[in-house]
Amino acid sequence: LAKTTQPISMDSYEGQEVNITCSHNNIATNDYITWYQQFPSQGPRFIIQGYKTKVTNEVASLFIPADRKSSTLSLPRVSLSDTAVYYCLVGDRNTGFQKLVFGTGTRLLVSP
Amino acid sequence: EAQVTQNPRYLITVTGKKLTVTCSQNMNHEYMSWYRQDPGLGLRQIYYSMNVEVTDKGDVPEGYKVSRKEKRNFPLILESPSPNQTSLYFCASRYGQGWDEQFFGPGTRLTVL
Repeated sequence: LAKTTQPISMDSYEGQEVNITCSHNNIATNDYITWYQQFPSQGPRFIIQGYKTKVTNEVASLFIPADRKSSTLSLPRVSLSDTAVYYCLVGDRNTGFQKLVFGTGTRLLVSP
Repeated sequence: EAQVTQNPRYLITVTGKKLTVTCSQNMNHEYMSWYRQDPGLGLRQIYYSMNVEVTDKGDVPEGYKVSRKEKRNFPLILESPSPNQTSLYFCASRYGQGWDEQFFGPGTRLTVL
């Protein structure tokens, strides 16, 4: 399993763009990068997944540089409801990989 | 509505009293898993199941048992609970063996006195 490193916490204000960077220096060729969001006392929720370059959905964008040793989750114009913990996970999508290692994530606090 | 359900949502019990936390999914998912979440430790996997009658240990299986007799159900059994098993527990499921989106239940907050 490739180890990931994220900031423990981040602060932002409503309407700002938030970028959370995850470091995964030992990422393997077949590994994908996945981000989950977790609100207090709720289960994590899948946000986005990618392999390289850029992926965008209705919630976020995921930027992955060419060397894939890091990735950045971008949340456009955050609101108070985006206050949550965000987890970056790395793993092989194609080989029946079963374990998800969540780590401690990044706690994002959005203020008015 | 596609969902993962857990029961009970809250449970306070005493040391040594056997308990079962149920988990059920209605998405016909093959893969199911149990996690526990503790402050400062993130989510840690307890057990997982790749299909009916196929289970395996996760990172912290000690003190827990599971069974997968039906595809939709994956109960977590604590034969003799201890205070160090006080935690927030999540059940999750996903369709197949790959790195697909995993769907989590609402959580069960367990306190063992």
